Amino acid sequence: DARVTQTPRHKVTEMGQEVTMRCQPILGHNTVFWYRQTMMQGLELLAYFRNRAPLDDSGMPKDRFSAEMPDATLATLKIQPSEPRDSAVYFCASALGGGTDTQYFGPGTRLTVL
Amino acid sequence: AQSVTQLDSHVSVSEGTPVLLRCNYSSSYSPSLFWYVQHPNKGLQLLLKYTSAATLVKGINGFEAEFKKSETSFHLTKPSAHMSDAAEYFCVVRAGTGGGNKLTFGTGTQLKVEL
Repeated sequence: DARVTQTPRHKVTEMGQEVTMRCQPILGHNTVFWYRQTMMQGLELLAYFRNRAPLDDSGMPKDRFSAEMPDATLATLKIQPSEPRDSAVYFCASALGGGTDTQYFGPGTRLTVL
Repeated sequence: AQSVTQLDSHVSVSEGTPVLLRCNYSSSYSPSLFWYVQHPNKGLQLLLKYTSAATLVKGINGFEAEFKKSETSFHLTKPSAHMSDAAEYFCVVRAGTGGGNKLTFGTGTQLKVEL
């Protein structure tokens, strides 16, 4: 049963610390998305990649957030330095191909910044 | 630009009664529309999707939705609610070929199912 995996599932850290979240897309999927979910803003797209190249990161605060795909099986989202307002659930999703494919979501990383 | 409006933030039904979760959309392109469900502390699961084929779409767990272009609606229904349906439901729009694969999510409808 292929699925998107994310680690860690939960992360509690202190303000100013670096946080790295990891995502393993479904094998063979070439499009990867990062979303953030908060009570106030709902689900927001932060960034997405196709064939490991960033296509759109306009939803991501550039000064502290960075997203990369070191290889086809790993996507990372890094926050440095973290702030309390970054507390949210971060979801990764992957899709098989281009513009019309269904996105499959991982279980999320719940981040709490104290 | 594209957007979705979920008209009810909370819906409460009794087990065995019909479910109706309402969604209206706005899109500059021919849209694709989705319903996702999120159970507590879980990721999002695709229930069904409309991509310009049949306007009545059947999904998993007995859910279905009808695309009505004249009303710009994509309401989610189920004839008989089950306790396991209690979750949050998101209506999602994706622009057509001009919008790539970017999804825009509604604010969610929390479905409560009572005995």
